[in-house]
Amino acid sequence: GESVGLHLPTLSVQEGDNSIINCAYSNSASDYFIWYKQESGKGPQFIIDIRSNMDKRQGQRVTVLLNKTVKHLSLQIAATQPGDSAVYFCAEINYGGSQGNLIFGKGTKLSVKP
Amino acid sequence: GAGVSQSPRYKVAKRGQDVALRCDPISGHVSLFWYQQALGQGPEFLTYFQNEAQLDKSGLPSDRFFAERPEGSVSTLKIQRTQQEDSAVYLCASSFLAGGGDTQYFGPGTRLTVL
Repeated sequence: GESVGLHLPTLSVQEGDNSIINCAYSNSASDYFIWYKQESGKGPQFIIDIRSNMDKRQGQRVTVLLNKTVKHLSLQIAATQPGDSAVYFCAEINYGGSQGNLIFGKGTKLSVKP
Repeated sequence: GAGVSQSPRYKVAKRGQDVALRCDPISGHVSLFWYQQALGQGPEFLTYFQNEAQLDKSGLPSDRFFAERPEGSVSTLKIQRTQQEDSAVYLCASSFLAGGGDTQYFGPGTRLTVL
């Protein structure tokens, strides 16, 4: 099938290395930020989220960092595995300006070399 | 099922035909969103339902697009007189709380190809 990763920035890492995926968001008033993983032919899958009153949140093998000063979000994946290969999207919500719909950034395609 | 389901998974339509895309959200979820994803792009918001009420349809690209959720559960996105630029993956997402205040869970999408 067709890949959702065409024409996207690509990050290629060796299995076992750490990955860092970056995202610049658009609205300084956004309240909530989420990282999604999308594999080919599937819908986006929730990875981790962070509220605007935090600057770091950790999950299992993943960490999200939020820098509101420069409107930057990053996703760190520890010990990257072949199953992590996918397109990663950051998304934001501004509750004051919407009904809670997600605004997605440009995706990054992560390729993990065995 | 435990997740959001969508049908059909693939739809091919001739230009000018009407199509209907179905979304079955997670049982009990109040919020339901429709998104459109063009090839190589992130999903873009189309419309939002809180139970049966369509509270936001600001993302619908034209009056050929219509969505409903009559009983506050299953939702249908209808596209009339399809055009080639409608070709995309249509994603449905649901969340437990109103207003998208918690995690949105996505279905697998319906890939629409208009010839």
